[in-house]
Amino acid sequence: TQLLEQSPQFLSIQEGENLTVYCNSSSVFSSLQWYRQEPGEGPVLLVTVVTGGEVKKLKRLTFQFGDARKDSSLHITAAQPGDTGLYLCAGGNNQGGKLIFGQGTELSVKP
Amino acid sequence: NAGVTQTPKFQVLKTGQSMTLQCAQDMNHNSMYWYRQDPGMGLRLIYYSASEGTTDKGEVPNGYNVSRLNKREFSLRLESAAPSQTSVYFCASSEEETYEQYFGPGTRLTVT
Repeated sequence: TQLLEQSPQFLSIQEGENLTVYCNSSSVFSSLQWYRQEPGEGPVLLVTVVTGGEVKKLKRLTFQFGDARKDSSLHITAAQPGDTGLYLCAGGNNQGGKLIFGQGTELSVKP
Repeated sequence: NAGVTQTPKFQVLKTGQSMTLQCAQDMNHNSMYWYRQDPGMGLRLIYYSASEGTTDKGEVPNGYNVSRLNKREFSLRLESAAPSQTSVYFCASSEEETYEQYFGPGTRLTVT
């Protein structure tokens, strides 16, 4: 069974701080996606990475896929209260589009 | 485009009652999914449908049935609700090439 472990599970920081969320597995994935979910809403896709070692930037968010395609990280620079939410990583293996989700990281950014 | 829509948004059932959660997408996606989300457990796949007319079990299918009515619609049925099925249910659909998933707003179900 493929599993994705996210750490930390909870993170509470002050506005302006930097943070990194990790997503690790012992299995290889063909792609890795990151989603953000706000309370009362469904997850929204942030980014997809498919190549080992790939780095993608989305404004203050930087996503990296591990060289061996078993892990990924999300780094946020100068966090803002609007970044507050649940961050989910999800791995795919082209099996009918099925994804394996991590348990999520609950981020709270205080002004 | 409305994207992925789900009804109802909230539901309270008594143990043993049945109900159907509805989902529709207007993005012409072939693949559709049903997940449940519980605190600290991320999203767990209940059933999925890779194309119209096909359905397959996911990680936690027990107590649920699904119907892929047509390309747009994918419903989830609870035949005899149990308190363990209290959860938030999400429907999603995905593009075939990238498998990037688009989620509905969710149904919050409480079984007493």
